[in-house]
Amino acid sequence: DTGVSQDPRHKITKRGQNVTFRCDPISEHNRLYWYRQTLGQGPEFLTYFQNEAQLEKSRLLSDRFSAERPKGSFSTLEIQRTEQGDSAMYLCASSPGQGTYGYTFGSGTRLTVV
Amino acid sequence: EDQVTQSPEALRLQEGESSSLNCSYTVSGLRGLFWYRQDPGKGPEFLFTLYSAGEEKEKERLKATLTKKESFLHITAPKPEDSATYLCAVLNYGGSQGNLIFGKGTKLSVKP
Repeated sequence: DTGVSQDPRHKITKRGQNVTFRCDPISEHNRLYWYRQTLGQGPEFLTYFQNEAQLEKSRLLSDRFSAERPKGSFSTLEIQRTEQGDSAMYLCASSPGQGTYGYTFGSGTRLTVV
Repeated sequence: EDQVTQSPEALRLQEGESSSLNCSYTVSGLRGLFWYRQDPGKGPEFLFTLYSAGEEKEKERLKATLTKKESFLHITAPKPEDSATYLCAVLNYGGSQGNLIFGKGTKLSVKP
């Protein structure tokens, strides 16, 4: 296992369209996180899963955003009716459970809404 | 409110010129402080976790230290390949166990 994989790497979409991103975590990691990063800023927390359970969602995660992790393996993040303000890098990370482990991040999906 | 502030925003060094990056934090109870390196267009790469004041960790030319209010990332004799953005993040006891709170980062450029 070579790390956290995200697909696609880049996505350009028109305003109002729906988009879906995929994240494949490190196989033995039961925790999975989604973050969003805009230019010149640090990553901001969106949501996280322990196995298939979504344990917390940030208030940044509006009703247009939904995340799933069926069977506790890969995860998807869907954005409905995209807006220009959704343009950002969407980062996925995983970790081996509770505690202060260093999260392993993927390379991210760069979303551009035009 | 929990907060992480990094300084300087950008730092330019000559190869071999040692320096330090600062991360000041305000949290209700520190569970851990993390340092990451991020190259352009890539996700953050984990460097260190520090848990308590007085703790130090080293990796090649990098050394991270922690006090009750701040952390320093010391870079000794940097090379051009150390050029990147360095991010600091904290995890607190009072908040979500998934919510790393990041600073904006310090962009380091090392010239040959």
